[in-house]
Formats: sequence, C-alpha cells, structure tokens
Amino acid sequence: SQTIHQWPATLVQPVGSPLSLECTVEGTSNPNLYWYRQAAGRGLQLLFYSVGIGQISSEVPQNLSASRPQDRQFILSSKKLLLSDSGFYLCAWSVGGTVAYEQYFGPGTRLTVT
Amino acid sequence: GQQLNQSPQSMFIQEGEDVSMNCTSSSIFNTWLWYKQEPGEGPVLLIALYKAGELTSNGRLTAQFGITRKDSFLNISASIPSDVGIYFCAGDVEGANSKLTFGKGITLSVRP
Repeated sequence: SQTIHQWPATLVQPVGSPLSLECTVEGTSNPNLYWYRQAAGRGLQLLFYSVGIGQISSEVPQNLSASRPQDRQFILSSKKLLLSDSGFYLCAWSVGGTVAYEQYFGPGTRLTVT
Repeated sequence: GQQLNQSPQSMFIQEGEDVSMNCTSSSIFNTWLWYKQEPGEGPVLLIALYKAGELTSNGRLTAQFGITRKDSFLNISASIPSDVGIYFCAGDVEGANSKLTFGKGITLSVRP
C-alpha cells in the first residue's frame, strides 16, 4: 500500500529565515505530486505540482519554490519567509501517467512565521 | 477559473440525524471527489465519482454525481460524534492535467 510522509509536523520560524519542507511517498512509482497551503483551517490553495523528476509547475507566484530531486520526493522551499507564509502545508500524490484525479494527502506541516 | 460552491459554511446537527451537503459549479466537471478533514490532519478521500448520475456509498456516506455534471451531493446518515470535521468537495474540468478544484468546505458539528 502507498503511504505519504511529511516533515516536520510543526515548525516555528522567524520572518526572513529560510524554509524547507519535505514530502516523500512510498509504495508507488512516478506519482504526480502536489503542494497545497491551507490558511485558517479552510480552503486548499494549490501552490505547485509535478508530474515527474525536475518538472515543476507553479500555480501562484510568491516567494516559495518547489523541487523534485527524486521520483518520490517533493520539497517546498523559501529563501526568506514572510508573515503571510504561515499556514498548514499539505503534500498530496496521485497516480501518474493516467487520467486519475484521486489525490491522497499527507498529514501536513503547521508553519508559524513569527 | 473554475469555482466550486459549498454552503453553508457551517452545519450543526444532532447525533443520529441525517445531513446532506451540496457542491455546485457553473462549469462542467468530469470528476467529483469528497474529502473529510479532521483538525490538524490532512484531508481523507471519502468517495470518488466519475460518471454523471453515479451514486456511490461508503458505509453511512452516499454521494451522487449530478446529471448536469455541475453538481454533486454527499449524504451522511445516522450521524455520530466522530463525523465532525470539514467536508470538502473537489472536481476536475477537462484539460486540468490532474489538478483539482476544491470547494471551501463545510464544517460539520454533531451534538451528542
């Protein structure tokens, strides 16, 4: 069976500091991967998605970036955090190479920028 | 872009009651998905619908893909306290490249 991991679970960072959130998927190959942000416990905003290694599509221009260095690893980064970057960050995967829209979410990372 | 409308924002029901939630759009969707999110956790997929008119059950949950392909509903029967959470609908339009559009969610509270 497939599992998706995210770490850290919680993070408190000062404004202007860098960020690196990691997501890994087990039990599947060549998945589509997604980063979402959820503010104030409501609404999912798609930030980035990837259909393969090194292939990243950005949905919302901002000071965040994403990378996919390995098939089942997806990283969300920032060089300098803003207060507005606070939120609940969710990674998700779906079956790659097919028209499959079922996305499966990780446990999330709660980021607080102070 | 495409939008999915879920209302009301919050629902309060008594344990044992049935509840129905709608999700509507002005666009035609090819897929409808229903998720539940509990506090501090990621959303969990409840039901996926792929054909207009499709009616699918998962335990006490039943969801339908509207005939017009512009709406879907989720029914929860005989609610229990652990049904509390945020219920999101999600869907895709043609050419969305495996991306989903999410509704803003409905927060369900169940009084014992």
